[in-house]
Formats: sequence, structure tokens, C-alpha cells
Amino acid sequence: DADVTQTPRNRITKTGKRIMLECSQTKGHDRMYWYRQDPGLGLQLIYYSFDVKDINKGEISDGYSVSRQAQAKFSLSLESAIPNQTALYFCATSPGQGAGGYTFGSGTRLTVV
Amino acid sequence: GQNIDQPTEMTATEGAIVQINCTYQTSGFNGLFWYQQHAGEAPTFLSYNVLDGLEEKGRFSSFLSRSKGYSYLLLKELQMKDSASYLCAVRDQSERLQAQLWSRNKGAAGNKLTFGGGTRVLVKP
Repeated sequence: DADVTQTPRNRITKTGKRIMLECSQTKGHDRMYWYRQDPGLGLQLIYYSFDVKDINKGEISDGYSVSRQAQAKFSLSLESAIPNQTALYFCATSPGQGAGGYTFGSGTRLTVV
Repeated sequence: GQNIDQPTEMTATEGAIVQINCTYQTSGFNGLFWYQQHAGEAPTFLSYNVLDGLEEKGRFSSFLSRSKGYSYLLLKELQMKDSASYLCAVRDQSERLQAQLWSRNKGAAGNKLTFGGGTRVLVKP
């Protein structure tokens, strides 16, 4: 099983619909992140959480919300999807220190029509 | 905040060497990472530098100069499967205090990464 699992892998939704992307991990990491990636662009941070009770906005949090249900679970919601939220979304986890970089999930390809 | 620059695209021949440069400006520095990402897939970790100098790992090497805000990733003996995007990412030290507070004295450092736009490398036969 993957260390970081994202569901769904692909989703097509209509403008105005609410959608939730889910992420779960078995790494035992405290830190979790949501990024979006647009074609030909780098990763932009949406939200991050350093602990179960900690939620922080990233660079592009408008239009998104998150929930850290447990150490292992971090969900991203689009309350009212719009077409420019069409992107590839990645969840990632990391340990607290040292050379530990991110472990990424496989990504969720979201299309808003 | 962070500002990270890397070339958009590079082309090289199979068997050759390619060097991908990354320059950064940061309010705090706590390490630089390189990731490889094939189209539509998740980024995978390649290398980590926190001190000046060269880190070698097989065909891949990464160099860091903190005083110059500069790093490069060197790919040797290029193979077709090396065609991918290469992402430079900087870890921000300014999050250290916030992370320590929330970590209840676990002594952990901040670990939020800011990514450059990525360099797409195309390897030709």
C-alpha cells in the first residue's frame, strides 16, 4: 500500500458543486500539506498543518478549506468549485526535521466544467 | 518569503550531461531539495543540501552555495527515462518557531517547502 493515499484519483465536477479531496498517510508524520499544480507550472501551497490542531493558509488558500481529522488524515474541500480550480492536486507529508523532505501522494486530477 | 528561479526547459542528448541551475532569495534558509517529476505523476525526492558543497548520488549530483543563493542539479550519462521535470525547492527557516510551538517542544524545525516552477528536461536519442 502507498504511504500517502489520495482519493479520488480523477474527478470531473460541475461549477458550483462542493467537492472534497481526501488524503491519508501511514508515514506517522505530523506535518501534512496540500498543493496544486497547473500545467507547466510548479507547486503552489494551498494549506498546511503541522499538527492535528494546527491549520495554516498557504499562498493560494482562497476558495479552499481543509480539515485535519486525525494525524493520518487531511482533507481539502472546494465549497463551490469554479473552472480555474481545474488542476492536479497533491497531498504531501513530512517529518519534523533533518533531511526529511516530502512524501507525495499520487495526485488528484480535478476538472471543473 | 521565497523567490526561486530555474530555467523553464532544457534539451540534451542521451549519454550527455545536463546542469540545471536554481537561484533563490529567502528570508530564512533551512535546506534545498531537488525532486524529479514525470508528467502527471507525483514528484519524487532526488537530493537534499543544507551545507555548501557537492552531494553525489549515482548519476545525479547536487551543489549548494548558500552565500550565493545558488544550487545546481547535475545529471550525468543521460538516459531517455530522465526526461522529466526537475523541481528545486527551498525549506524556510522562518517557520521554525511556529513549528516548535505547535510541536510542544518536540524540537522540530519548520518544514514548509517553496517550489520553483520546475525545469522540463527533454532527452533526445
